[in-house]
Amino acid sequence: DIQMTQSPSFLSASVGDRVTINCKASQNINKYLNWYQQKLGEAPKRLIYNTNNLQTGIPSRFSGSGSGTDYTLTISSLQPEDFATYFCLQHNSFPYTFGAGTKLELK
Amino acid sequence: VQLVESGGGLVQPGKSLKLSCSASGFTFSSYGMHWIRQAPGKGLDWVAYISSSSGTVYADAVKGRFTISRDNAKNTLYLQLNSLKSEDTAIYYCARTPGVDYWGQGVMVTVSS
Repeated sequence: DIQMTQSPSFLSASVGDRVTINCKASQNINKYLNWYQQKLGEAPKRLIYNTNNLQTGIPSRFSGSGSGTDYTLTISSLQPEDFATYFCLQHNSFPYTFGAGTKLELK
Repeated sequence: VQLVESGGGLVQPGKSLKLSCSASGFTFSSYGMHWIRQAPGKGLDWVAYISSSSGTVYADAVKGRFTISRDNAKNTLYLQLNSLKSEDTAIYYCARTPGVDYWGQGVMVTVSS
């Protein structure tokens, strides 16, 4: 199975900050990496698919990059509604595996 | 796109439960579907996949105990959970694929005596 190591687990930031969240795969996942946002009690929302493709309707302050085993989600200027949990998913091969999540909190 | 799970609840270890996921807003028969779960306070675990042509793949942890199926006439995805264990306690989500793009709100399954 492909292991996904996500960092950091917790991130404290302020409105307007630029933040990055990382996922490292235990083997090459060929850019089949998605990023999701989850708020308490809500369904996960896909932000980025296949490393760097912005989901329709998602603000352009969200972006993704990476290749091989290393992937990054960047939020260029945090807005109040961005404080949530973020996680990555590799869908290169079964079993699909997730990062453990990053809880983004208001400083 | 809307996905609505149902059928969760409290069940004793060793018993069975069947979850449903009602789909609307897209041509259900053309898409593969997943079940994904999240144990309380834990991360997400992929559980099972069914293709548009009903081919299936399972996580090792549930293989032989869980069965994913679909009824395209009813636009509904199912997950039959048998021989339930306490470690199956989780919120169960259905999600559409390719790309695992849309998820339902989830349904809670609690396995406890």
